[in-house]
This record gives sequence, structure tokens and C-alpha cells, in this order.
Amino acid sequence: QLQLQESGPGLVKPPETLSLTCTVSGASISSESYYWVWIRQPPGQGLEWIGSIYHTRSTNYNPSLKSRVTISVDTSKNQFSLNLGSVTAADTAVYYCARAISSWDAFDIWGQGTMVTVSS
Amino acid sequence: QSALTQPRSVSGSPGQSVSISCTGTSSDVGSYNFVSWYQQHPGKAPKLMIYVVSNRPSGVPDRFSASKSGNTASLTISGLQAEDEADYYCCSYAGTYVFGTGTKVTVL
Repeated sequence: QLQLQESGPGLVKPPETLSLTCTVSGASISSESYYWVWIRQPPGQGLEWIGSIYHTRSTNYNPSLKSRVTISVDTSKNQFSLNLGSVTAADTAVYYCARAISSWDAFDIWGQGTMVTVSS
Repeated sequence: QSALTQPRSVSGSPGQSVSISCTGTSSDVGSYNFVSWYQQHPGKAPKLMIYVVSNRPSGVPDRFSASKSGNTASLTISGLQAEDEADYYCCSYAGTYVFGTGTKVTVL
């Protein structure tokens, strides 16, 4: 059974870099049928897509975050990661990793989410 | 890339039907059939309910249906049940991905 698990610091100081890892179990992260995404949700607010990474290692980022975001993959560990630089309090959110089915362009399996607070 | 517009809340009694609209533009909902819907209970991760406008993943009850017309997509819950009380978000591909503002469904 496919599972995704986010990990990383729960507290980040501004203007440092937020770094999270998503460990995928039960399926290969290298499959051409899927791609992998990060999505966040500030407290009490809606969902925001951050970016995606494909089996070719190409990426697609939210234009509003593009200058600060890097998503990478480590196939040897079946993990993908998020780096978000120059964080501010506005980046405080629950961060989710998820799998997307390429032919559906929909996010079918989600991690449980991890809360990241940006505060000095 | 503005969020898609959804009503803040809708409500209905058990057994009734409710519909949620998701209004975008000709650059997102109007141009692509990659519209999906997600259900989110408090403190939980979102769950995929609909993909490619009107398709249900395995395990999603057929009480959930969806459609699209022009720049607006819609999700309908028929035979409303207590467990349907949750937040619902639409999402559209637009070169990138944009979510809706979210709708709270209350079962009276």
C-alpha cells in the first residue's frame, strides 16, 4: 500500500530555508505514470500548490513562489524534497506531499501533512 | 494565478442534495478538463473525490458527481450524509495548478 510521509523541522527562523522530505513507500518514485507534488495550507486557509517534480527530474513551480522554491528527488532513497528559501511568517502552514497520476492530473495519495511554523 | 472562486459555505439536511460551484477563467477551468475535487475533514489530509471533471476514483460513493460548463465546474452531493460534512476544494490545471477558495459543507 502506497504511503507518503513528510519529515523536517517544525520551526524555521526567518529568513532561513525551510527544508522538508517526503518518503514514499510501497511504490517506486521513478515510475513514469506518476509525478510528485508539494502543497501547503496556512492555518485556517485554503490549499496552495507549491510545485511538482517528474520522473525526468523536470520541475514546475507556482509562479508566486518560483524564485524561492527548489524541489528535488533522490531515487536511491525513494524520497523527494522541498526547499523554500527566505521564509517569512506568511510561509507558516501545513505542508503536504502528494502523488499525482499523470493521466489524471489529480493528486490521489497524500501524506498526513507536517506543520511548519516560521518564527524568530 | 488567482484562486478559483467557490461559495464559502453550503448546507443541507440529511438526504438532500447540495451543489458547490467553482468558477475560474478561460485560462484554467475553461481551457482544461483537468478539474479535480477534494474533500478535507478537520485536521486531516485532503482526499481526492473527482478527477478529470466528472470521474470518481475507486471507493468514492456515487452520491458524488461533478460536471463542467464553460469556466465553471460543479460538484453535487446527493443523499447528503453526516460524514459528508467537510471542506471541499476544486483544483484546475492551468499550466500550473490552482485551487479553489474552499467550501464548507454543513449537514443540518
